[in-house]
Amino acid sequence: DTGVSQDPRHKITKRGQNVTFRCDPISEHNRLYWYRQTLGQGPEFLTYFQNEAQLEKSRLLSDRFSAERPKGSFSTLEIQRTEQGDSAMYLCASSPGFTLTEAFFGQGTRLTVV
Amino acid sequence: KQEVTQIPAALSVPEGENLVLNCSFTDSAIYNLQWFRQDPGKGLTSLLLIQSSQREQTSGRLNASLDKSSGRSTLYIAASQPGDSATYLCAVLNAGGTSYGKLTFGQGTILTVHP
Repeated sequence: DTGVSQDPRHKITKRGQNVTFRCDPISEHNRLYWYRQTLGQGPEFLTYFQNEAQLEKSRLLSDRFSAERPKGSFSTLEIQRTEQGDSAMYLCASSPGFTLTEAFFGQGTRLTVV
Repeated sequence: KQEVTQIPAALSVPEGENLVLNCSFTDSAIYNLQWFRQDPGKGLTSLLLIQSSQREQTSGRLNASLDKSSGRSTLYIAASQPGDSATYLCAVLNAGGTSYGKLTFGQGTILTVHP
């Protein structure tokens, strides 16, 4: 097991284009989280899944953002009609349980919207 | 709404020095607190996890303490090395309020250890 894997590591896109990121959690981790981090700030919560169910979305997530976790395995985060303000590091984390377990993060996807 | 503050924002020390990073949180209804390390342009590496019922955790040269009632945690790094240079983030897993079930992060402390 190599930990949480995110793809791509870097993405440069033109404003208005759609982008999709993928996260592969640690095997058998049933909780999966998406966070966004801008320069000099701590990560901010976007959404999370318990198995395939999306339990909550942050108000930071506009209608242009959608996340899925089919079959409770990998997850995708799609941003439609990207804006320059979407430029950030998108981090995925997984944990085997809830309150008593660590969250493990991937290396992140750096998005630059030009 | 939970708020997490880390002090200092940046710290520069000579190699070999012992140092303390501080983290405070406004809502004591937490399940646990986690300290992370982040290298420039990279993801987060978990360093220590302290459950809300625990007072401290140790891993090698790192020791983290938790005082839940006062909303404070400290990360102690002994005998610092240049390889310790990174941003250190603390995060609480919230047990109540609008932040329930999510990690709330501080803004981090940027640590530089010079030879």
